[in-house]
Amino acid sequence: RKEVEQDPGPFNVPEGATVAFNCTYSNSASQSFFWYRQDCRKEPKLLMSVYSSGNEDGRFTAQLNRASQYISLLIRDSKLSDSATYLCVVIISSTGNQFYFGTGTSLTVIP
Amino acid sequence: DADVTQTPRNRITKTGKRIMLECSQTKGHDRMYWYRQDPGLGLRLIYYSFDVKDINKGEISDGYSVSRQAQAKFSLSLESAIPNQTALYFCATSRGGAGETQYFGPGTRLLVL
Repeated sequence: RKEVEQDPGPFNVPEGATVAFNCTYSNSASQSFFWYRQDCRKEPKLLMSVYSSGNEDGRFTAQLNRASQYISLLIRDSKLSDSATYLCVVIISSTGNQFYFGTGTSLTVIP
Repeated sequence: DADVTQTPRNRITKTGKRIMLECSQTKGHDRMYWYRQDPGLGLRLIYYSFDVKDINKGEISDGYSVSRQAQAKFSLSLESAIPNQTALYFCATSRGGAGETQYFGPGTRLLVL
């Protein structure tokens, strides 16, 4: 079983739409959570950390549900520039703080 | 200048050849990582190093070796390349400690014929 699971999509949404991605993790020792963004043929870049209380950065909102072991990313008012693959990442303390990456969810925002 | 650099950016090689991918960083981070990325499989950890004297195998280390020549340099070698090692390879660094995140190099696209 993979440590991190994501719906690969693709998600195709019109400009201005709201879109949400979920990611589930299997190890309860997961201690830190992130969303990364990866553009085609480029390196992943940190989008935002995910805190237990939930956090917001402009149009992006991340939430963590420890009881159900999932994290989510909500994008409001989608822009064409949001088109990318979004990677869910967890750090698991019982594995020496290794990073585990989901396979990514592909988003295309359509004009 | 980029904080994490990788050379070469693209490489075509033949089966059986030895190849080295290099990674350098100016972030001053102790921790460095090598990943490969394949379509549909996401990022998979090959090797990681938490300091100059520390080398650890990741999920898919077979067929690869690494060298941590200095805090700023971490090289990945394919001793005898095979076609299923064709992939996009990323180096990453992290500071360690609470709330750490990873910073990636631009990637090396490797094709083994």
